[in-house]
Parts: sequence; structure tokens; C-alpha cells
Amino acid sequence: GAGVSQTPSNKVTEKGKYVELRCDPISGHTALYWYRQSLGQGPEFLIYFQGTGAADDSGLPNDRFFAVRPEGSVSTLKIQRTERGDSAVYLCASSPQGSSYNEQFFGPGTRLTVL
Amino acid sequence: AQKVTQAQTEISVVEKEDVTLDCVYETRDTTYYLFWYKQPPSGELVFLIRRNSFDEQNEISGRYSWNFQKSTSSFNFTITASQVVDSAVYFCALSDGGGTSYGKLTFGQGTILTVHP
Repeated sequence: GAGVSQTPSNKVTEKGKYVELRCDPISGHTALYWYRQSLGQGPEFLIYFQGTGAADDSGLPNDRFFAVRPEGSVSTLKIQRTERGDSAVYLCASSPQGSSYNEQFFGPGTRLTVL
Repeated sequence: AQKVTQAQTEISVVEKEDVTLDCVYETRDTTYYLFWYKQPPSGELVFLIRRNSFDEQNEISGRYSWNFQKSTSSFNFTITASQVVDSAVYFCALSDGGGTSYGKLTFGQGTILTVHP
């Protein structure tokens, strides 16, 4: 079956602009996670959705970052007033349920470059 | 707070050599899960293994084996008879396993493995 997909695969934007990154999880997966991976580092947790609600957004770096999952499937990560420090690969993962026992399936990521 | 340390930033071996990737973790949780993921050049993280904190039995899967030692808070990964296709970045990760846990992963910095022909 189809895995997790993310669009766009690459996004180049200018400092100060607004961007949206999309994640399509595996069908039927209720848990959805966003991570950010800076160059040479491991992924860092941003936000977790169980269904439509953001159950934990403690990893969002500041209020310029926001994410939604209105119908409990597709999620969009939104970044306002982008800064050069936001440049990274943004990874999305989904899981059948939100628990440590379940494997998380990762998408290929969106590489964001802020000039 | 949870922490995962992969002290080896890069490892380079010649094909058919055995290689061990080290992982040391810190957590206050009594129940937790440890993971290894592989990230090939395509960028997509591929799940390799999950172990829970109550199961210290070592595991072997083909050329891969994992050694979990609670006494030293380590969860090392060995590739036997390495192949060029094993070249990738490998991440060790930790998740708490309590009743309210939802699977948030804490990753190490990753180890870049290069296997030369």
C-alpha cells in the first residue's frame, strides 16, 4: 500500500515569507507526528496529532509554527515569517495508534531552504 | 529528560568487515522502548528494530544483531559482513513506554556508515 507522502519535496523561499508543508499519512493511521531534522543532526520532535487534535505541540520552536489536521488525515505544517534558521528537512510520520509500541512510518521529508 | 548519544559521527569500513554502531541512552522512565532506524540517501527513515526495557535478550536478524544492556544503558547495533548497500545514516531512538505514552521519539545525532567496495 501507499506509504506516507509529503509535498513539496523541496521548498525554497525568502526570509519573511509564509510556507505550508503537507503530509499525507498512511490511510487509517490515527497518530501523526512532525519532526524537524537539521543538517547533520537527528530528527527532533515538533508536534503530535491523535485524530484531529494536537495532543502535544511542545516541540514547536515558537509561535511562528503551527500545524493542523482538520479531518484527522492530511496534516499541514505552517510557518510564518520564515527565518534562515528554519532551513531543515521536515519529516512526517504516522502510526496506527499513538503508542510507543507501534512503529512510526516516515515520509521522505520536505527540504525547506530559507534564503 | 530523555537523551540519546551516538558518539561515532562517521564510520568507514571495507565490504565484508563487521561494524558496531554504539548507542547510549538516558531516561528516568522505568518502561521505555529503544529503536534503530536507517536513513539511506533517499532520506526516508526505515525502521529496523524496537526493544522494550524489560526485554534484554539480544536479537539477530540476518546480518544484523542488537545488544541491549540495561546496566550500561546501551543498545548497540552490529552489522556482520557489511555490504555497500548498508551505507546510510543510522539513528538510535528512545521513547517512553508508560501508560500515557504516545510514541514521541528522541533521536541520537546519527552515525554515518560508509561501506567501501
